[in-house]
Amino acid sequence: DAGITQSPRYKITETGRQVTLMCHQTWSHSYMFWYRQDLGHGLRLIYYSAAADITDKGEVPDGYVVSRSKTENFPLTLESATRSQTSVYFCASSESWGYGYTFGSGTRLTVV
Amino acid sequence: DAKTTQPNSMESNEEEPVHLPCNHSTISGTDYIHWYRQLPSQGPEYVIHGLTSNVNNRMASLAIAEDRKSSTLILHRATLRDAAVYYCNGAGFQKLVFGTGTRLLVSP
Repeated sequence: DAGITQSPRYKITETGRQVTLMCHQTWSHSYMFWYRQDLGHGLRLIYYSAAADITDKGEVPDGYVVSRSKTENFPLTLESATRSQTSVYFCASSESWGYGYTFGSGTRLTVV
Repeated sequence: DAKTTQPNSMESNEEEPVHLPCNHSTISGTDYIHWYRQLPSQGPEYVIHGLTSNVNNRMASLAIAEDRKSSTLILHRATLRDAAVYYCNGAGFQKLVFGTGTRLLVSP
């Protein structure tokens, strides 16, 4: 199906474990983004990518790692999960700067 | 990055027009103004965006002040399905930074 998909939809993990959230888009959009949404903080940009093999930090990058070896995929890895990383994570893509963004349905991550 | 200021909440009646304001006094000349909305338990949904001129699409209209320090999202006839949090964002080069949003309540 065309669009942007995130997996898993829900994830529970333990403190200290590594977890990877997946994001896949079928449009070959150049730009991809990861946001987290928390009560009281709204949506905050974690990392973004302008093209394959090009990534940059957003507002809150600490504790996260991203990669983009293929245009269509932009995984987000929490190398050692902490409780403060409990959040809803949204992936987004955009054809180019100046275009609208399309968001995925989100991954609800709980770190216990 | 452009910082935006929006009212926390607004109310409207169904089938009436709604004007959602946004101040973005720090916006740069190359920042686009984007509007998104978010329904409960869903990801943000693109509504409209523009740079300098007013913009219209099937969902809404965007009126941008001449000095670009403010904009207004116009929903021409509100429906119950338009009840959501509306975000006005300044899109600096390559990245979109979200503000706190306006919760729109629509009454039948």
